[in-house]
Amino acid sequence: GNSVTQMEGPVTLSEEAFLTINCTYTATGYPSLFWYVQYPGEGLQLLLKATKADDKGSNKGFEATYRKETTSFHLEKGSVQVSDSAVYFCALSPLNQAGTALIFGKGTTLSVSS
Amino acid sequence: NAGVTQTPKFQVLKTGQSMTLQCAQDMNHNSMYWYRQDPGMGLRLIYYSASEGTTDKGEVPNGYNVSRLNKREFSLRLESAAPSQTSVYFCASSDFSSRGETQYFGPGTRLLVL
Repeated sequence: GNSVTQMEGPVTLSEEAFLTINCTYTATGYPSLFWYVQYPGEGLQLLLKATKADDKGSNKGFEATYRKETTSFHLEKGSVQVSDSAVYFCALSPLNQAGTALIFGKGTTLSVSS
Repeated sequence: NAGVTQTPKFQVLKTGQSMTLQCAQDMNHNSMYWYRQDPGMGLRLIYYSASEGTTDKGEVPNGYNVSRLNKREFSLRLESAAPSQTSVYFCASSDFSSRGETQYFGPGTRLLVL
């Protein structure tokens, strides 16, 4: 079946440190991949996405590359800020068609201190 | 353009009580979803509606019913609430284009069942 596995948190970093949050997936076919971010007390916001192999999604200094050979979509940021403290969810859409629900990882909590 | 809105924001119920969670979107999206979020579990799909007039069960539908009232509105009903339904509920809607599907989330409803 389809599934997403994220590294378990919490991840605790100092400001300006490099961030990697690992995400691997299992899916048949060619899924779309997403990173969502949830700030405290809020809903999920789309951070970035990639729809085919070797695509790189990027937004707000975050990047992730769709690697089909390793079935991975790791999230990276070169220099984190305190404002990046949030829960990050990796997700996949197994079918490239309308009305397909997302499959989420369990989330990784990031805490950045100044 | 409010995006996806949910009411209420918070609710406390007693076991056996019923309630309806409301969701509306103003983005003219065809597909809408209900998820629940529990600690350490990520988000799990309860029900979804791929288009107006259709609804389908997700991963955890037991104890819930849904109504796709029109293209804008998708409600979730708990007929007889149980403590196991204490959770944060998120509604989402999605559009589909040549670049794949993206889901947009509401702010959530925090439900406590005593």
